[in-house]
Amino acid sequence: GQQVMQIPQYQHVQEGEDFTTYCNSSTTLSNIQWYKQRPGGHPVFLIQLVKSGEVKKQKRLTFQFGEAKKNSSLHITATQTTDVGTYFCAGTGGYNKLIFGAGTRLAVHP
Amino acid sequence: DAMVIQNPRYQVTQFGKPVTLSCSQTLNHNVMYWYQQKSSQAPKLLFHYYDKDFNNEADTPDNFQSRRPNTSFCFLDIRSPGLGDAAMYLCATSVRDTQYFGPGTRLTVL
Repeated sequence: GQQVMQIPQYQHVQEGEDFTTYCNSSTTLSNIQWYKQRPGGHPVFLIQLVKSGEVKKQKRLTFQFGEAKKNSSLHITATQTTDVGTYFCAGTGGYNKLIFGAGTRLAVHP
Repeated sequence: DAMVIQNPRYQVTQFGKPVTLSCSQTLNHNVMYWYQQKSSQAPKLLFHYYDKDFNNEADTPDNFQSRRPNTSFCFLDIRSPGLGDAAMYLCATSVRDTQYFGPGTRLTVL
């Protein structure tokens, strides 16, 4: 079945450093979504990418969708302590079911 | 205003004692999902509804059942909770491809 791999599993950065998490799918994705889950919280939708090669920005966050629609990345510039949490990518299956990556847990040290 | 509401937020039950978790949504979305999330893992889909059409994931244990009496409400019944069922249970709805998660119910099994 369809799988979404995500790396790294953990990332520790100093505040102000950049951060990137990567997702790869075994099959072509119709779209990819990114969610953020704060410690003790629930996943919150960040963005959806649909087009091949698409790049979207949200303030310090940059999301990319690969040309082959099999990979994606999330890059955070100049991390802040408010960026702490786990970032999940997810492909979409039938009935809008999400196929989650394992998530990348980001720790930011002040 | 909360769009996906889950009650209770914390539930403690005894080994083998049936428990019901509830979810309601004010979004009038057709699709609702139940996920199980264990520590440091991605959410794992248990089942979903498209309207009243129930869809069980192949690896969801028989111990887990669900009811959706109307569009707004959905229930997760765990018939005989085991220690391995201790987890966060997340309810979500979706429109198009975006999923909106509730705050979750953290289940403890003693």
